[in-house]
Amino acid sequence: EVQLVQSGAEVKKPGESLKISCQVSGYSFSSYWIGWVRQMPGKGLEWMGIIYPSDSDARYSPSFQGQVTISADESTSTACLQWSSLKASDSAMYYCARPRDDSNTAVAYWGQGTLVTVSS
Amino acid sequence: QSALTQPASVSGSSGQSITMSCTGATSGVGSYNLVSWYQQHPGKAPKLMIYEGTKRPSGVSNRFSGSKSGNTASLTISGLQTEDEADYYCCSYEGTNIWVFGGGTKLTVL
Repeated sequence: EVQLVQSGAEVKKPGESLKISCQVSGYSFSSYWIGWVRQMPGKGLEWMGIIYPSDSDARYSPSFQGQVTISADESTSTACLQWSSLKASDSAMYYCARPRDDSNTAVAYWGQGTLVTVSS
Repeated sequence: QSALTQPASVSGSSGQSITMSCTGATSGVGSYNLVSWYQQHPGKAPKLMIYEGTKRPSGVSNRFSGSKSGNTASLTISGLQTEDEADYYCCSYEGTNIWVFGGGTKLTVL
């Protein structure tokens, strides 16, 4: 069974750095793209970016390019999303997401979400 | 503002059918029908309901169906049930691992 298990909720101050994670099981981590989706409070889903763990090829939505970094650690089957300097507007739920087994045209698997709160 | 436009809300009575739309001039909608639909209940992760415009993943009820006309994709839910009440998002795959989500539609079952 494919599972994506995300790290726990975080409370941070503006300007702090943060890395959240998504550990997968039930499939070969290196063989499938894995991405991140943001959902701000009371708002819709936004595609942030995606990475191919085998070669760390990362693609970003223009809205998030330069704002976050997506990485992958094959040794722990873990994808990560990180910020170097958080802003209050980064407060949101973040989901890791993996496309279908046979194509990248839709997201079949989702993590449970990590709530990030940025407040002074 | 999203490149895909969805109505903010739709409603229907239990047992009836509803259709919600997703309009966009993206290639994923217009040219290739690479639209997927996701159901999200409050406090839960999204769930894939339809992919590539019309295909249903294993385990998804056949009450859910997708279609496309021109630059508009649609999700139809027949025989509405109370558990269908949720937010629904369309998403277009634009190639090179880029996805674009719609703003979402809140479905209310009366």
